[in-house]
Amino acid sequence: DAGVIQSPRHEVTEMGQEVTLRCKPISGHNSLFWYRQTMMRGLELLIYFNNNVPIDDSGMPEDRFSAKMPNASFSTLKIQPSEPRDSAVYFCASSPLDRNGGNEQFFGPGTRLTVL
Amino acid sequence: SQKIEQNSEALNIQEGKTATLTCNYTNYSPAYLQWYRQDPGRGPVFLLLIRENEKEKRKERLKVTFDTTLKQSLFHITASQPADSATYLCALALYGNNRLAFGKGNQVVVIP
Repeated sequence: DAGVIQSPRHEVTEMGQEVTLRCKPISGHNSLFWYRQTMMRGLELLIYFNNNVPIDDSGMPEDRFSAKMPNASFSTLKIQPSEPRDSAVYFCASSPLDRNGGNEQFFGPGTRLTVL
Repeated sequence: SQKIEQNSEALNIQEGKTATLTCNYTNYSPAYLQWYRQDPGRGPVFLLLIRENEKEKRKERLKVTFDTTLKQSLFHITASQPADSATYLCALALYGNNRLAFGKGNQVVVIP
């Protein structure tokens, strides 16, 4: 199994541009999570999906951020327009769905985003 | 407000000794707690999970304890090796909720 796949691995863009991050979860996993990691704030959950349906998007910073999961094998996180404060490492993770909670999450390698 | 606190200072430890990390939380009633390892430039990797009704969990040289009265988890690496050098994150979740809340992590440096 290739694990969680994210692209691109690095993205450098200018303020105001649209940024799209992509994620392919592990096959068979029903839950998908988008996180953002910075030195100041640590690892923060932005949004998660169960069976392609957004369950909790309370971590999405503002309307500039949007996430979609059109099918079980693909998700995107879009930032439009991007701002320098969005610079961070963005992780996608997946896990099997467990209604009691407790399943380990498998993280991708992350996308390092720099907004100039 | 809800908080998950891990020591921000790196733990430097001699090879062969036991490293002990602390995770304290406030205003949470977690159903379970997980520990992850993160190496520079990589995503976190799951290590151990412990449930609220469990006091201790072991996996090879790793041991986790969970005290819901003290609102604290301890993470031990016995017979530490240089390859154990990494940042270790604790994460909490509520019952019936896939959402994890992470601490900021605690760096461990094992000195040969």
